[in-house]
Amino acid sequence: GAGVSQSPRYKVAKRGQDVALRCDPISGHVSLFWYQQALGQGPEFLTYFQNEAQLDKSGLPSDRFFAERPEGSVSTLKIQRTQQEDSAVYLCASSLDRGGRDYNEQFFGPGTRLTVL
Amino acid sequence: GNSVTQMEGPVTLSEEAFLTINCTYTATGYPSLFWYVQYPGEGLQLLLKATKADDKGSNKGFEATYRKETTSFHLEKGSVQVSDSAVYFCALTKGYIPTFGRGTSLIVHP
Repeated sequence: GAGVSQSPRYKVAKRGQDVALRCDPISGHVSLFWYQQALGQGPEFLTYFQNEAQLDKSGLPSDRFFAERPEGSVSTLKIQRTQQEDSAVYLCASSLDRGGRDYNEQFFGPGTRLTVL
Repeated sequence: GNSVTQMEGPVTLSEEAFLTINCTYTATGYPSLFWYVQYPGEGLQLLLKATKADDKGSNKGFEATYRKETTSFHLEKGSVQVSDSAVYFCALTKGYIPTFGRGTSLIVHP
């Protein structure tokens, strides 16, 4: 596909369940970002990969959140023992840049809306 | 730390009206500034950007000028269309981590 895709688009989980959210970036894009977007808010940075290396995970809200990108393409964001406060839209974005230059465009996926009951 | 403040929405306009969405920022140094647009059910798309002071970004009739002296990057369009109805996010990047505003919803009536 031409753009960033994410799956599932919608996920409902019971409190305490583990969830896994998938991101397929644009082919060839080196950088990959995960964001959390609460209702009525802008995206908040969670973590950043350059190829398979997770260079920054400072935005992950707790140790229940874990992200990986083992082959430098597809990425998975995993949330263990989900809580109601984890309900949000999780956005993935990819970028072609290799050096973390701040003017490079990020291409966003449509997001996964997670609802924790 | 870095922050972005946008005007509260929703902004409701009639077709062909003039649009301004205010955005101010706080950051050290010289960040790059962006406007993203999010149409219903879709991901954020880059609308325009400016990477240094006094640069003007423009796209699809939208414009924004990087004003260092007022730390602002206001979005303008001379004549809005119904198809411009969306949520608009102002953002800055210093390094690789962007900081987004809360978003401003624009509703354009025929």
